[in-house]
Amino acid sequence: QLQLQESGSGLVKPSQTLSLTCAVSGGSISSGGYSWSWIRQPPGKGLEWIGYIYHSGSTYYNPSLKSRVTISVDRSKNQFSLKLSSVTAADTAVYYCAREPREGYFDYWGQGTLVTVSS
Amino acid sequence: QSVLTQPPSASGTPGQRVTISCSGSSSNIGSNYVYWYQQLPGTAPKLLIYRNNQRPSGVPDRFSGSKSGTSASLAISGLRSEDEADYYCAAWDDSLSGPRVVFGGGTKLTVL
Repeated sequence: QLQLQESGSGLVKPSQTLSLTCAVSGGSISSGGYSWSWIRQPPGKGLEWIGYIYHSGSTYYNPSLKSRVTISVDRSKNQFSLKLSSVTAADTAVYYCAREPREGYFDYWGQGTLVTVSS
Repeated sequence: QSVLTQPPSASGTPGQRVTISCSGSSSNIGSNYVYWYQQLPGTAPKLLIYRNNQRPSGVPDRFSGSKSGTSASLAISGLRSEDEADYYCAAWDDSLSGPRVVFGGGTKLTVL
């Protein structure tokens, strides 16, 4: 059974960079046919797709966040990561990692991790 | 303001059939598949419907999806207390600024 687990700093200061990692177990991140995504959900609000990375390393980001987002993959550790720069309070959210079978939907999700932006 | 529009709330009694609507445009629902997710309180979203009306393995056939033009619907028949959750529709959006996955604002389903 595929499992995804987010980890990273739960508190980030304004203007700094948010960094999260998603560890994948029960399957290889290098297997073809899938992309690996980040999605976030501000407290009490809806979902926002951030971007994804293919096993090849190519990336695609939400145009609204593109200037601040970097997603990378570490195949040796079977994990992928998110960096979001110049954060503000509006970036406070539960961040989820998820697998996408190259069809636009997310079939496996991590449990999510809350990141709070505050001084 | 979400790109896809859902009613903020819906309700029904056990055994009833309820539907949740999702309205979009020609750049998203009108030209791409629709997906539906269920989010129980305090948990990650779970895929309920993909490719407009397909159910992943393990999702009861009480859940069904449909699409017509630029709108989609999720129907839940034989409503159960455990169906009380937030429901989100999603689709790819071929916007001028670049393709992206977009979600509805979510519908909170209450089982009375």
